[in-house]
Amino acid sequence: EVQLVESGGGLVQPGGSLRVSCAASRFTFSSYSMNWVRQAPGKGLEWVSYISTSSSNIYYADSVKGRFTISRDNAKNSLSLQMNSLRAEDTAVYYCVRYSYDQHLFDYWGQGILVTVSS
Amino acid sequence: NFMLTQPHSVSESPGKTVTISCTRSSGSIASNYVQWYQQRPGSAPTTVIYEDNERPSGVPDRFSGSIDSSSNSASLTISGLKTEDEADYYCQSYDSSNLWVFGGGTKLTVL
Repeated sequence: EVQLVESGGGLVQPGGSLRVSCAASRFTFSSYSMNWVRQAPGKGLEWVSYISTSSSNIYYADSVKGRFTISRDNAKNSLSLQMNSLRAEDTAVYYCVRYSYDQHLFDYWGQGILVTVSS
Repeated sequence: NFMLTQPHSVSESPGKTVTISCTRSSGSIASNYVQWYQQRPGSAPTTVIYEDNERPSGVPDRFSGSIDSSSNSASLTISGLKTEDEADYYCQSYDSSNLWVFGGGTKLTVL
């Protein structure tokens, strides 16, 4: 079964930075586009960022554009999200999510990692 | 830019049928596939419907999806409701401008 395990969450002050990572296993990581999707406490899902298999195509939600950077290392089967200039409204559980282009869906989700932005 | 609007909550009794709507604010609902995700408390979402009306393996046929161009909306229908169906449900679609968009989610209560 596909495994996606996030790490690196925690408490950070407004204006600070944090990097969350995702370790992927049990599938050919380099063959799949990946995403980050977040969920603020008690709120709905929000797509954050997308990266294609070779990192040639990268997209961001307007809410994080210019502050967040997505990257991947296919040799290490890992996905990362560097978050800078963090705001209180970035507080959320961040999910690492695999994208299936064939079926047009987010087909596997990690368990999520909590990022809290607070002074 | 488009939004997907869902009812905040729905409730129904076990054994009954419930339908959750997802209305696209602009652009045609038929222009991009709609997916539906189920999220139980404390868990990550899982897919119950993809490509408007397809079920992943393991999802019971009590779950079905459809789109209606006249109302510019998609629907998730769950028949023979079970208490285990109680969860939050999110619709999701895509376009080249907004990229991936989720609806606000619907809390299903089976009482």
